[in-house]
Amino acid sequence: KQEVTQIPAALSVPEGENLVLNCSFTDSAIYNLQWFRQDPGKGLTSLLLIQSSQREQTSGRLNASLDKSSGRSTLYIAASQPGDSATYLCAVNGGATNKLIFGTGTLLAVQP
Amino acid sequence: NAGVMQNPRHLVRRRGQEARLRCSPMKGHSHVYWYRQLPEEGLKFMVYLQKENIIDESGMPKERFSAEFPKEGPSILRIQQVVRGDSAAYFCASSPRTSGAYEQYFGPGTRLTVT
Repeated sequence: KQEVTQIPAALSVPEGENLVLNCSFTDSAIYNLQWFRQDPGKGLTSLLLIQSSQREQTSGRLNASLDKSSGRSTLYIAASQPGDSATYLCAVNGGATNKLIFGTGTLLAVQP
Repeated sequence: NAGVMQNPRHLVRRRGQEARLRCSPMKGHSHVYWYRQLPEEGLKFMVYLQKENIIDESGMPKERFSAEFPKEGPSILRIQQVVRGDSAAYFCASSPRTSGAYEQYFGPGTRLTVT
């Protein structure tokens, strides 16, 4: 059974700092991995999607990497801003039915 | 191109009533997924549907919950005889028609409160 874990559970950093969020999964047989952002009381915004054949994806200040064999993904946020404050979720898609298995999330607070 | 639409955004029901949650996928998407986020818990998969077919309902509670995605109209998640433990945010996602593992796009969610 696939299990997805994210560490740290919460993170507080000063504005401008670079930071890394971690995601690990127990079953390396995945199709892809998605990183999402969720603001309080809101829906999910897809940030990056990495297919199983890819090693990394970049979008603006965000870079996500994937190491399938070790069951790990990282989300790197450069030059953090207060507007980056949110909960970050990773989710793996490992089955023929496309269902996403979500991690527990990292609550990020960027202090101005 | 409008995103995934869900309504209502907020729903209040008394114990024992029925709740109907609607989801309209993005244009051109025929795969719909429902997820539930209980308070202080992570998002959990409930059901995956294509038009007129339930593909995977392994995450659906066995009783009181049902889902459909008719040929015409939105997908419906129906909860009968709601209980306080059903209070949660229910999210719908959609992905394109083509096969394979594609990006899922999420709606804003319906927040159900059972009093």
